[in-house]
Amino acid sequence: DTGVSQDPRHKITKRGQNVTFRCDPISEHNRLYWYRQTLGQGPEFLTYFQNEAQLEKSRLLSDRFSAERPKGSFSTLEIQRTEQGDSAMYLCASSSDRDAQETQYFGPGTRLLVL
Amino acid sequence: RKEVEQDPGPFNVPEGATVAFNCTYSNSASQSFFWYRQDCRKEPKLLMSVYSSGNEDGRFTAQLNRASQYISLLIRDSKLSDSATYLCASFRAAGNKLTFGGGTRVLVKP
Repeated sequence: DTGVSQDPRHKITKRGQNVTFRCDPISEHNRLYWYRQTLGQGPEFLTYFQNEAQLEKSRLLSDRFSAERPKGSFSTLEIQRTEQGDSAMYLCASSSDRDAQETQYFGPGTRLLVL
Repeated sequence: RKEVEQDPGPFNVPEGATVAFNCTYSNSASQSFFWYRQDCRKEPKLLMSVYSSGNEDGRFTAQLNRASQYISLLIRDSKLSDSATYLCASFRAAGNKLTFGGGTRVLVKP
């Protein structure tokens, strides 16, 4: 399977704990995005990487959230001191800047439940 | 007002019928648009991109009306497997991000 992959697929944690999610984009894609989706809503943009550079961050991304893409390949999203309001599906997407249509392809998501 | 808005539905559609629904956007700088299909508890999957006036792919037709700032999706000859939530998204190169609507739920019934 050469699509976007995410790990873990599900995470249950207690309030106050730190969690880290991983995303592996489609191999030739140099752009990587994180979104968050809650029940009944569309995905909301969190942050965007072009290669290893984080070029855009949403105001939704509080200082408890940090994302990295150290080698321009996989990315990690860490949430520190989790809160119940962080419970959501965290989606990763990737695209190529050689694609004139800028199409973003999504991974299966990591579903987070904070108790 | 949200930047991208959709009627949440559900649209209850008899199998074989045609259904159409719209998505409105407020940012005239939006360059392109996408329709994604999302099944329950799954990720969004690209259905169609919309750049100029419209696009057609089999039973699915998307149209863009820049003057009125909306895009539409029409599904002909609906199949039971078309039951899903359809997400509309606008794209702006500034920030390289997609802005999604809340989705329109479609239920195709026998």
